[in-house]
Amino acid sequence: GENVEQHPSTLSVQEGDSAVIKCTYSDSASNYFPWYKQELGKRPQLIIDIRSNVGEKKDQRIAVTLNKTAKHFSLHITETQPEDSAVYFCAAYNNNDMRFGAGTRLTVKP
Amino acid sequence: EAGVAQSPRYKIIEKRQSVAFWCNPISGHATLYWYQQILGQGPKLLIQFQNNGVVDDSQLPKDRFSAERLKGVDSTLKIQPAKLEDSAVYLCASSLGAGELFFGEGSRLTVL
Repeated sequence: GENVEQHPSTLSVQEGDSAVIKCTYSDSASNYFPWYKQELGKRPQLIIDIRSNVGEKKDQRIAVTLNKTAKHFSLHITETQPEDSAVYFCAAYNNNDMRFGAGTRLTVKP
Repeated sequence: EAGVAQSPRYKIIEKRQSVAFWCNPISGHATLYWYQQILGQGPKLLIQFQNNGVVDDSQLPKDRFSAERLKGVDSTLKIQPAKLEDSAVYLCASSLGAGELFFGEGSRLTVL
C-alpha cells in the first residue's frame, strides 16, 4: 500500500518568514494530495489540495507543488503568522485510500 | 451543512474493558473512514467503508477491534478488550469519494 513520509517533524520560524514542509509518496497511482491543518485538540481541516494533473496551486499565502516524477509534494506558507502555528499533515489518495504523513509541528514565533 | 458527528468526545476506561464509538457522517457521503491518531503521530487508517461494505480493514487489529456500518449511514467502532496502547484519538471521516475527507471532532480514549 501507499507510504507517505513527511519532513521535518518540527519547524520553527519567525513571524513573517516562509515555511516549507515536504512529503514523498510511494504509490505512483496516487492522484490527489491534500494538506490538513490540525490545531491542538481540534479536528484536521483541509487547507489546500492538488490533483495529479496540476503542478502547482496557490491560495493566498499557501501554495502546494507536486513533482509526479519524483513522487514528492510540498506545502509553502509565506508571510507566516502566529495563527499558522499547528500540526500540518500531508496525505496521498488513490482509489478511496487516503494515507497520511506523520505530521509537522509548525511554530511561528512573534 | 452539518458536519461529521462523533460521540463520546472523551472516554476513560481500564484495560481489558470495552468501549464503543459512534459516528454519523455527512449526509450523502458514501465513504466512511475510521482513523486512529496516537499523540504526536499522523492519522492511521483502521477501516474504510463504501456504503455498508468494507473496502479496507487491513490495519484493523481484528482480535480486539470491530466496526460496522449498518444501512450505509452511521458507524460504530468497538474495542474489546482494550489495551494501554489503544489510548488515542479515534477520528471518523467521510467523503463523497472524490478525495476530500471531512473529519469529526474525534473521540479521545484513555486506557488506564
